[in-house]
Amino acid sequence: QKEVEQDPGPLSVPEGAIVSLNCTYSNSAFQYFMWYRQYSRKGPELLMYTYSSGNKEDGRFTAQVDKSSKYISLFIRDSQPSDSATYLCAMSRDTGRRALTFGSGTRLQVQP
Amino acid sequence: EAGVTQFPSHSVIEKGQTVTLRCDPISGHDNLYWYRRVMGKEIKFLLHFVKESKQDESGMPNNRFLAERTGGTYSTLKVQPAELEDSGVYFCASSQDLFRRGSPLHFGNGTRLTVT
Repeated sequence: QKEVEQDPGPLSVPEGAIVSLNCTYSNSAFQYFMWYRQYSRKGPELLMYTYSSGNKEDGRFTAQVDKSSKYISLFIRDSQPSDSATYLCAMSRDTGRRALTFGSGTRLQVQP
Repeated sequence: EAGVTQFPSHSVIEKGQTVTLRCDPISGHDNLYWYRRVMGKEIKFLLHFVKESKQDESGMPNNRFLAERTGGTYSTLKVQPAELEDSGVYFCASSQDLFRRGSPLHFGNGTRLTVT
């Protein structure tokens, strides 16, 4: 069983829609949670970083962590065609190690 | 500020040959990481340097892979001899601070390795 599960999609939505992306994980040792965006032929780019359970908002993006359910989400409001990319969840343990465990990524397509 | 630079962007080699990938981290970043994504799989950690020292190499798949970071600046990842299953995208990342929360990893655009 994978430590991090993420629906690969693809997910296709119309411009302006609210997008919900999710990951579940099995290892309760994970303490830091991140969302990366990756455009084709580019490296992952950090979008959101959270430590505790709850919500964190940054512009059109909201990251949500529920440690009791081992479930994290990324919400994108007012989605734009430029948001079309692969979204990767990633997490790490609270040991000072920065080795990230990634989900497989969800491909998002926002239709104009 | 220049980002993480990886070279080459794409490499095609035959099984049994040797390939060396290079990563130039962001200037001043002591922490350097190698990750890779093989076809259809998630991105997986390979190893972590702090300056020139290997902090964690638990993700290195086998002894055909050798990573170095002489002088604590750029890093190389050598695969010798290459096997078909080594095909994938190899990412390098760097960060300024290991323990401070929120210090992000900056990724390069990757080297796409194809072993035929």
